Amino acid sequence: AQSVTQLDSHVSVSEGTPVLLRCNYSSSYSPSLFWYVQHPNKGLQLLLKYTSAATLVKGINGFEAEFKKSETSFHLTKPSAHMSDAAEYFCVVSSQGGKLIFGQGTELSVKP
Amino acid sequence: GAGVSQTPSNKVTEKGKYVELRCDPISGHTALYWYRQSLGQGPEFLIYFQGTGAADDSGLPNDRFFAVRPEGSVSTLKIQRTERGDSAVYLCASSLIRGTNTGELFFGEGSRLTVL
Repeated sequence: AQSVTQLDSHVSVSEGTPVLLRCNYSSSYSPSLFWYVQHPNKGLQLLLKYTSAATLVKGINGFEAEFKKSETSFHLTKPSAHMSDAAEYFCVVSSQGGKLIFGQGTELSVKP
Repeated sequence: GAGVSQTPSNKVTEKGKYVELRCDPISGHTALYWYRQSLGQGPEFLIYFQGTGAADDSGLPNDRFFAVRPEGSVSTLKIQRTERGDSAVYLCASSLIRGTNTGELFFGEGSRLTVL
């Protein structure tokens, strides 16, 4: 069975400093992995996706993630946080049956 | 509209009542998904439609929950004899094709259900 574990429920950074949101996955086959973002009172939005092409994936708004099979990780990073990045972030893995399986979420706070 | 539309945005009901939640997907999207998000949790899969048929309903928690998509476009999630534990945000998503490999599901803003 496929699953994801987000290692931090809440991350707080200062504006202009790097962001790291951690995600480990479990999958019995080569997975497709994604990060989604959810701003307050907004719909979930796809940030980026890994589908067995390049292991370093670039997404929208300066975010990127690196697929590391040896570590079963897919951490999300951004070099410099912006106030508008404050939101809930979900690491997601696809199942063979066609479902997206979401992690518990990491709330990112950005301090001025 | 350009995005996935869900109505109502908020619904307050009493325990035991019947509730319908509606999803209007992006025009032309054949795949439609329902998810449920409880407070502080990630979205949980409920059911997936490909066209008019339910391709996977394994996430429906019990037989009080039912969903239809009679014409392959708009979908309705129906909850009978609501319980307080049904309180959550119900999310609908659509994609042009079966979205698993691309992950490009387009989500609505959700319907927040509160059962008193």
